[in-house]
Amino acid sequence: NAGVTQTPKFRVLKTGQSMTLLCAQDMNHEYMYWYRQDPGMGLRLIHYSVGEGTTAKGEVPDGYNVSRLKKQNFLLGLESAAPSQTSVYFCASSPGSFYGYTFGSGTRLTVV
Amino acid sequence: QQQVKQSPQSLIVQKGGISIINCAYENTAFDYFPWYQQFPGKGPALLIAIRPDVSEKKEGRFTISFNKSAKQFSLHIMDSQPGDSATYFCAALSGNTPLVFGKGTRLSVIA
Repeated sequence: NAGVTQTPKFRVLKTGQSMTLLCAQDMNHEYMYWYRQDPGMGLRLIHYSVGEGTTAKGEVPDGYNVSRLKKQNFLLGLESAAPSQTSVYFCASSPGSFYGYTFGSGTRLTVV
Repeated sequence: QQQVKQSPQSLIVQKGGISIINCAYENTAFDYFPWYQQFPGKGPALLIAIRPDVSEKKEGRFTISFNKSAKQFSLHIMDSQPGDSATYFCAALSGNTPLVFGKGTRLSVIA
């Protein structure tokens, strides 16, 4: 049982480049989330999805896009990377509102 | 505006001592309050959670105390061990909204 798998684990981008972070879960969870973690800032929600084909903005959505075409996958895209997007990105999933989130192991992204 | 305020930022506790981390919130609609534990290089993992209809929940050495009138909740780690050294996050949500997290507390348990 893999849980939540994030790829890639590490990436270095140049300013202006684009990339897609992939999150896959095998627990049949309805809800999926993308958070970013920065030193001293905790975890801040970027976008989330409450089911296949749905997405919604979180606290810090600017510069990111998402898609949930399949229930098990949640993609996070950066169209034109900026140094301010240097962060550790975590994907999580949950079966519903009052259940614990299962987090992936994170993607460390550096934008130079 | 930070919805969940967590303190302290860092904490050093002697082995065998009690670690206490506090969180405060403003949104009275919050109705689920979990704590997450994160080790370096790993994603956060659910540790313990409480709903506002109870004032305390205990799981092993970990206890959540909840004060609805004060809009505060805290995590107590009894008999703290070096293996408890990690970053701890409190969080809260209401209804179908996603979790909002505190900024985290880095706990170091020293022998």
